This record gives sequence, C-alpha cells and structure tokens, in this order.
Amino acid sequence: DTAVSQTPKYLVTQMGNDKSIKCEQNLGHDTMYWYKQDSKKFLKIMFSYNNKELIINETVPNRFSPKSPDKAHLNLHINSLELGDSAVYFCASSPPRGTDTQYFGPGTRLTVL
Amino acid sequence: AQSVTQLGSHVSVSEGALVLLRCNYSSSVPPYLFWYVQYPNQGLQLLLKYTSAATLVKGINGFEAEFKKSETSFHLTKPSAHMSDAAEYFCAVSEAGGSNYKLTFGKGTLLTVNP
Repeated sequence: DTAVSQTPKYLVTQMGNDKSIKCEQNLGHDTMYWYKQDSKKFLKIMFSYNNKELIINETVPNRFSPKSPDKAHLNLHINSLELGDSAVYFCASSPPRGTDTQYFGPGTRLTVL
Repeated sequence: AQSVTQLGSHVSVSEGALVLLRCNYSSSVPPYLFWYVQYPNQGLQLLLKYTSAATLVKGINGFEAEFKKSETSFHLTKPSAHMSDAAEYFCAVSEAGGSNYKLTFGKGTLLTVNP
C-alpha cells in the first residue's frame, strides 16, 4: 500500500535525451509537488500542483515540464537533459494547508552522462 | 521569504548519548516547522511538526523538538541515540506560495551514531 510511488527508481541517460518520471499517490490529496535534491543533499521545491492546476513554479528551466493528468498523478518530463540535471527527484503530496504533512515518494535518481 | 538554518552539517554521537540537532528559522509570520528524516537511499519521513499548538512537540522514534519564538529555534532532541537513528535530518518551514504551501528546507544534518 505505497502512499506515494515513483517510477523509475533509477534513470541513467545521455546528455541531450528526453526522459520522464512518473508519480502517483493514493492518499486522496489534492496537492502534489516535485522537489529536487542535489549532490549535497539540498532539497528545493520545483513545482506544486493543486487539483491538476500548476500553482508553484520555482524558476525551473522550461526544459522541465510537469503534467498532471488527474489529481492522483504528477509526471515530470525533462527535455534536452544536461549534466547539471543529475539529482534525486522527489514527488510529494499533501492536503492544501500549510500545517499539513507532505508525504514523499522514494525518489528517482537521475544520472546524466 | 522564510528560511531555515541548520547548524552543523554533521553530528556524531555515541550510542546512548543525547542527540541535539539545531535548527533556526527566519519568518515574518508565525511559522509552521517540520523535521524530516531521510535514511540512505530512501524518501523523507516526517518526524514531527509544530503548527502553533504546544511548543514542545513529540514525534516518532523518541524524538522531540521545542519551538522557542524568542530564539527563533526549533531544535530536535532525543535522550538516547540508537544505531538505527543514523540518517540525514532536515528541518523545514512551510511557506505559502500562491494558494499552495511549499517546504523550504535547511541544508540537512547527517547524524552518525558510534557503537
């Protein structure tokens, strides 16, 4: 009964390729997020969606395009991958209030060669 | 914008010793504060959170944290460390972004527990 799941867990690809990461949550939450964790373990918000609508976009390059087909899914597509995109990407979900816990997926480790 | 500072990127303790991980925040409004733990190659798991109720918050695995407004701090403690506590710990503040909220994280503190 995984609450927030991501696929794939590992992704190794060449520079210039396009790749997607999928996220699904079965918690019934309206809000979903993408966070990026760099090689120094620093976590930073990328996007937030509320019921399929983009709410937060933290100056992420437009090579990154999130898509939410329904409120239980939030996918991340990355075009023209660069070396600097190598990181662990975490999906999370929560109810909409600031006091609410965000539940994180297991992460997708992206390595760009 | 709100921010979080974690003092000490690496804390090492002996098994059975007190664990103290420091977190200070900067916020112009009453903050919502969180501590998350990340075990190797895993996602983040909530330890505890402060949401303006009791200032002493108890969490899972014997951890607790005290919100001190005068010191703008939310330090995490555990009386007696176990080997299983070895992990990366993140302090975070919840900040409004439009109609949503986002977590702004500190840089993390790696806790190692020595036998």
